[in-house]
Amino acid sequence: AQRVTQPEKLLSVFKGAPVELKCNYSYSGSPELFWYVQYSRQRLQLLLRHISRESIKGFTADLNKGETSFHLKKPFAQEEDSAMYYCALINAGNNRKLIWGLGTSLAVNP
Amino acid sequence: DTEVTQTPKHLVMGMTNKKSLKCEQHMGHRAMYWYKQKAKKPPELMFVYSYEKLSINESVPSRFSPECPNSSLLNLHLHALQPEDSALYLCASSLRTSVSTDTQYFGPGTRLTVL
Repeated sequence: AQRVTQPEKLLSVFKGAPVELKCNYSYSGSPELFWYVQYSRQRLQLLLRHISRESIKGFTADLNKGETSFHLKKPFAQEEDSAMYYCALINAGNNRKLIWGLGTSLAVNP
Repeated sequence: DTEVTQTPKHLVMGMTNKKSLKCEQHMGHRAMYWYKQKAKKPPELMFVYSYEKLSINESVPSRFSPECPNSSLLNLHLHALQPEDSALYLCASSLRTSVSTDTQYFGPGTRLTVL
């Protein structure tokens, strides 16, 4: 079954510390993976797509097919990074639905 | 215009009311989605329209009725809702081509409270 697992419900770090939000997936075939972020009282925003291999707001994520992971990393966390982060996978069948992880709430403390 | 817009931002309704949520995008996207999101939870898919045709209905109760009048507009008609239907209702859109990654872009949502 296709599944996205975010093992940490809450992650708390200090400003300037490195942060890693974990995402593991279960999928047969080549996955299309995303990270979305939802700041307080703001819309759900696309942060990263694995096919783009880009860095947004200092965040990067590398697809590791061997470990079936797509962890989100940032070397130096900022207070404005505090938000809810969702990892998601597209079902590449006909319906192409997004399969979501349960989310990780990141708190960056001063 | 590179955003998905939703109106109203907030809606309070009684269980006997009829109301509608509206979603609009002018990015040329051909797929549009309705999601329901409870606090601190991921969005739950309700409906998908692809090329103005309903392609997915995730067994949503009939008190929710979607409508796609054209490729830019998506409505969600609400009737006889229950208090447990109170949530943030999100609209999203995507390009929906056969070869590209189908990235979904979200609107700000309508915060619905059913009394």
